[in-house]
Amino acid sequence: RKEVEQDPGPFNVPEGATVAFNCTYSNSASQSFFWYRQDCRKEPKLLMSVYSSGNEDGRFTAQLNRASQYISLLIRDSKLSDSATYLCVVRRSGGYQKVTFGTGTKLQVIP
Amino acid sequence: GAGVSQSPSNKVTEKGKDVELRCDPISGHTALYWYRQRLGQGLEFLIYFQGNSAPDKSGLPSDRFSAERTGESVSTLTIQRTQQEDSAVYLCASSVGASLQETQYFGPGTRLLVL
Repeated sequence: RKEVEQDPGPFNVPEGATVAFNCTYSNSASQSFFWYRQDCRKEPKLLMSVYSSGNEDGRFTAQLNRASQYISLLIRDSKLSDSATYLCVVRRSGGYQKVTFGTGTKLQVIP
Repeated sequence: GAGVSQSPSNKVTEKGKDVELRCDPISGHTALYWYRQRLGQGLEFLIYFQGNSAPDKSGLPSDRFSAERTGESVSTLTIQRTQQEDSAVYLCASSVGASLQETQYFGPGTRLLVL
């Protein structure tokens, strides 16, 4: 089983729609969680960290469920510019830091 | 300020040749990571440097891969006797420190094509 799993998509949604992605992680020792965004042929960029109590940044809401070992990203009022691949990132300590990226969920917002 | 830079941006080489990829992290960032991303795939961790500590080489796929970092500055990733399966984008990232909450800032990557 992969340490971090994501539905690869693509998720094709109309402008203005609400869309949600989940990411599951297998190691219960995972301690910090992030969503990165990667545009086609570009480098990943941090979208938002995910905090235990959940957090919101404008149209984006991230949630963490430690009991079920998943994180989620909700995008409201989708824009064309939201089209990208969304990468789930999980970090844990243990000797060296372990950073694991999911393979990403592709979102295509359609006019 | 200046972000993470990588060079070359593109590299085409013949199978069996050695290549060297360079990463200039953000000034003051003590942590540096190398990743590989094959076409249509996720990021694959290769190696991690933190300050003057011994690097975490656990992600290097074979002994043809090696990396060095001079202090807290430039890093080079060397691939010896390249194979076609080494074709990928090689991404470098840096972060301020070793905290688990640190943001990683990525460079634009080096696109390597092995013919």
